Amino acid sequence: QVHLVESGGGVVQPGRSLRLSCAASGFIFSYYGFHWVRQAPGKGLEWVADLSFDGSDKFYADSLRGRFTISRDDSKNTVYLQLNSLRGEDTAVYYCARGSMGTRTTNNYDYYMDVWGKGTTVTVSS
Amino acid sequence: QSALTQPASLSGSPGQSITISCTGTSSDIGGYNYVSWYQQYPGKAPKLIIYDVSNRPSSIYNRFSGSKSDNTASLTISGLQAEDEADYYCSSYTDSSIWVFGGGTKLTVL
Repeated sequence: QVHLVESGGGVVQPGRSLRLSCAASGFIFSYYGFHWVRQAPGKGLEWVADLSFDGSDKFYADSLRGRFTISRDDSKNTVYLQLNSLRGEDTAVYYCARGSMGTRTTNNYDYYMDVWGKGTTVTVSS
Repeated sequence: QSALTQPASLSGSPGQSITISCTGTSSDIGGYNYVSWYQQYPGKAPKLIIYDVSNRPSSIYNRFSGSKSDNTASLTISGLQAEDEADYYCSSYTDSSIWVFGGGTKLTVL
């Protein structure tokens, strides 16, 4: 069974940092890229970032570049999202989703997110 | 990158067909056949129901279908059922090498 389980969310003061984790199981982790997508309370989905199967490619939403960093540890089958200089508008449920094998320059790259975790909640408040 | 445009809400009766539109630009929907659709129940994670404009994962009923014309993608649900009541989001790959989502459509089954 393919599973993604996010953790690391919580209540944090503005300006502070948080690291989210996404633990994967049920498939060969090192073959796949991953995305982070967030959803503010009562709002729609917002794509945050993705990284390739080998960690060589990382892309971020324009509005978040410089504050958020995506990374992976294949020895732990885990993807991370480092959130820095947090603001109230970063309050959201953060979802991890499985991306594609290969990179954007690879044939048969998959431009969608086929497996999602249940999310972890980040609340930025003083 | 601006969000894709979806109607905020739609409704239909059981057995009917409904279509949810998703409008973008030539930099996203119009430029790529990489539109996907996701279904989300309240408090739950999104679920992939359509990818690459019109392809369905094997676990998704064939009542769900997708299409695209110019800068607008569409999701059609035929034979509407009570269990289809959910939020639906479109997404597209973009010229900026990133993804963008629509604002979401709340589907009510009357």
